[in-house]
Amino acid sequence: DIQMTQSPSSLSASVGDRVTITCQASQDISNYLNWYQQKPGKAPKLLIYDASNLETGVPSRFSGSGSGTDFTFTISSLQPEDIATYYCQQYDNLPTLGFGGGTKVEIK
Amino acid sequence: EVQLVQSGAEVKKPGESLKISCKGSGYSFTSYWIGWVRQMPGKGLEWMGIIYPGDSDTRYSPSFQGQVTISADKSISTAYLQWSSLKASDTAMYYCARLPMSLDYFDYWGQGTLVTVSS
Repeated sequence: DIQMTQSPSSLSASVGDRVTITCQASQDISNYLNWYQQKPGKAPKLLIYDASNLETGVPSRFSGSGSGTDFTFTISSLQPEDIATYYCQQYDNLPTLGFGGGTKVEIK
Repeated sequence: EVQLVQSGAEVKKPGESLKISCKGSGYSFTSYWIGWVRQMPGKGLEWMGIIYPGDSDTRYSPSFQGQVTISADKSISTAYLQWSSLKASDTAMYYCARLPMSLDYFDYWGQGTLVTVSS
């Protein structure tokens, strides 16, 4: 089973800050990685697919990069509406579709 | 507009059975997979299993194999998640979500169904 390790588990940053979240896979998953945003009390929402592709309608301040085992999700300028928990998800080992543990982002 | 609408919240006792639903609209229901995702209170997302309504091909996460049953009725564009004997540890929010044929990402999600199991 492929394990996805996200870090940090939570962070606090100021409006306008650059925020970076990492996701590490236990084995090479090429670029088979997605990022989701889950706001409190809401269903998750797809933000980034195939490691670096922005889903239609998602603001350009969100970005993703990486391949192999190490991936990064970045918010270039944190906004108040970005308060949420962010999850990575791999699809290298179909049909297993494992999620990372999540990163809770708060405003300082 | 693609929509996945889930059935309402449920409160059940341990040992009872339950079937929750997820109705798709705004797209060809038989051309996409539907997946189920569990979120226990205050915890992260866990993939449970997927079904392809076109031919009812079903795959389960090893963690949930034998614990739940996933099914679909393509005539009414609805997928289901069911339990034969609930446990308190099944208390969680359950989401359905759509996946393309390539099974790479969950692109549309239902609003979630909260299941509470308590004596």
